Amino acid sequence: AQKITQTQPGMFVQEKEAVTLDCTYDTSDQSYGLFWYKQPSSGEMIFLIYQGSYDEQNATEGRYSLNFQKARKSANLVISASQLGDSAMYFCAMREVLAGGTSYGKLTFGQGTILTVHP
Amino acid sequence: NAGVTQTPKFRILKIGQSMTLQCTQDMNHNYMYWYRQDPGMGLKLIYYSVGAGITDKGEVPNGYNVSRSTTEDFPLRLELAAPSQTSVYFCASSYRGNYEQYFGPGTRLTVT
Repeated sequence: AQKITQTQPGMFVQEKEAVTLDCTYDTSDQSYGLFWYKQPSSGEMIFLIYQGSYDEQNATEGRYSLNFQKARKSANLVISASQLGDSAMYFCAMREVLAGGTSYGKLTFGQGTILTVHP
Repeated sequence: NAGVTQTPKFRILKIGQSMTLQCTQDMNHNYMYWYRQDPGMGLKLIYYSVGAGITDKGEVPNGYNVSRSTTEDFPLRLELAAPSQTSVYFCASSYRGNYEQYFGPGTRLTVT
């Protein structure tokens, strides 16, 4: 069974500073995918970034980067130059990958971290 | 494209009532999912479907039923609603299982 742990219930950051949101995972699978989603107060789920377990380089998407440390089973999200609009709940999630690289796409989510950006 | 649409947006049910949450996608995606999000928690998978006529249980299927008669629609049925089913329900879809999932806006359900 897969498990995602986000140990920071809440984080605060000053506008324009960088912040790291922690995510550790547990799986016996050799192949898997890791995701970060943003959920603003309006409630929708917004995909931010994806990292495959066999990707050699850390994923980056604009101001978002994923600090992937496979041996430590961690997949932390780094947000650079925080903006007021970054205030939201952030979820780390894992997707199983089956033999041959296929997947049913079933996602396992962590409990989330509420990020508050101060002006 | 409208993407993934869900109806209703909000609903209050009495204990023991039944209802169907509707989910429709117009992206010709094969895979569809239902998740629930309890207050302050992450999403948990209820059911998923890999194509019309094919459904399977997720992590928390008890108290729910699904059907997938068309590619576009994936309704979630609640029978005999219980307070424990008070939650926000998200529908999602993807072209294949290893592609990005697109989420609907959610349905907020309260059972009293």
